[in-house]
Amino acid sequence: GAVVSQHPSRVICKSGTSVKIECRSLDFQATTMFWYRQFPKKSLMLMATSNEGSKATYEQGVEKDKFLINHASLTLSTLTVTSAHPEDSSFYICSARDPRGGGTEAFFGQGTRLTVV
Amino acid sequence: SQKIEQNSEALNIQEGKTATLTCNYTNYSPAYLQWYRQDPGRGPVFLLLIRENEKEKRKERLKVTFDTTLKQSLFHITASQPADSATYLCALAGNTPLVFGKGTRLSVIA
Repeated sequence: GAVVSQHPSRVICKSGTSVKIECRSLDFQATTMFWYRQFPKKSLMLMATSNEGSKATYEQGVEKDKFLINHASLTLSTLTVTSAHPEDSSFYICSARDPRGGGTEAFFGQGTRLTVV
Repeated sequence: SQKIEQNSEALNIQEGKTATLTCNYTNYSPAYLQWYRQDPGRGPVFLLLIRENEKEKRKERLKVTFDTTLKQSLFHITASQPADSATYLCALAGNTPLVFGKGTRLSVIA
């Protein structure tokens, strides 16, 4: 199946700093990518939809100035957590749908474990 | 608002038995429903998709049913193995981003 690669898999940062997470579709082009956040033993919560060449669409309650999304190419979307705080510590996962397969199945990255100290 | 419920947070089952997981939804008419497997610290992996006009779908030891009248999907793993231990997520889909249930953590005991 299609491959979505996410980097880094783990990151520890200090409070107040910014962290960038990359999500790449390796063998297909994705005009749309999705960013999720997952707390321990909880479901994936959609944060935003990343649209290539245009602004991301954020879900209600997600601060767009804190979670900056850039989708500069058809294979790369980035999520930057700005001025990180300990409560931002979580598991962040991106996904994309391969249009070649009808776009129904979602392919997920490996996830990024963010710890803010 | 849309609501998805996987009514068991955790399910323990003996190896060799059939595991049955339930997914119920309200206030939604999905074009299709999907099941994913998630291992700890990893992203979900797609397992099966079933469309609104399909009653049942099978793939190897997996079987999914979809009852749009009951607004329910059942996910079965037959001849379960310890390697099947994971969290299983159902997701509703249409023309919008996937909406996930909280998942059921399945433990298959040898």
